[in-house]
Amino acid sequence: GAGVSQSPSNKVTEKGKDVELRCDPISGHTALYWYRQRLGQGLEFLIYFQGNSAPDKSGLPSDRFSAERTGESVSTLTIQRTQQEDSAVYLCASSMGLPGAEAFFGQGTRLTVV
Amino acid sequence: ILNVEQSPQSLHVQEGDSTNFTCSFPSSNFYALHWYRWETAKSPEALFVMTLNGDEKKKGRISATLNTKEGYSYLYIKGSQPEDSATYLCASGGAAGNKLTFGGGTRVLVKP
Repeated sequence: GAGVSQSPSNKVTEKGKDVELRCDPISGHTALYWYRQRLGQGLEFLIYFQGNSAPDKSGLPSDRFSAERTGESVSTLTIQRTQQEDSAVYLCASSMGLPGAEAFFGQGTRLTVV
Repeated sequence: ILNVEQSPQSLHVQEGDSTNFTCSFPSSNFYALHWYRWETAKSPEALFVMTLNGDEKKKGRISATLNTKEGYSYLYIKGSQPEDSATYLCASGGAAGNKLTFGGGTRVLVKP
């Protein structure tokens, strides 16, 4: 596709439910990142994929969070048993996987846990 | 410096005034420093990518400098306008692999 696509754009879920957030990176981009921004806070790193592997998942806040990537393409971020503190904008970015390559961001998924 | 850090966290600027803010990053294993602008309800967009010590990049009223030896970059906004209001993110990329490490951002609000 022309850009990084994320779906859904907005998600309201009840506390305790599971949610899946999807990211379609730019075709050919081997590096993929997930970040989130909670209200009033800065950009928080979650996980980084190089191909289908995740060499750095140090930012995942708890074992309720998991992510996978398949076909060096689509990535899914899953949050189990959502809590109110999970409410945030979740951003996905992809890049060419070369040193210095620019990252391109999706529009984000705004998750609200009620 | 172990992580990428930005300061200040937020900044209020009067329209017409110039301002600047800082990004600090680990100087070891450095390859590139990126600046992004993130406007409300939009996705972050790249402003500059710099690799060489002493690099200076300019786009309109916005410019950036890079000091790789001491591990910092400044972003300058000259004659701030309300449309400059955004969060400015910096990110450092290492030579090994391409993981970009972002700072927390500086939120700039330009008051008319």
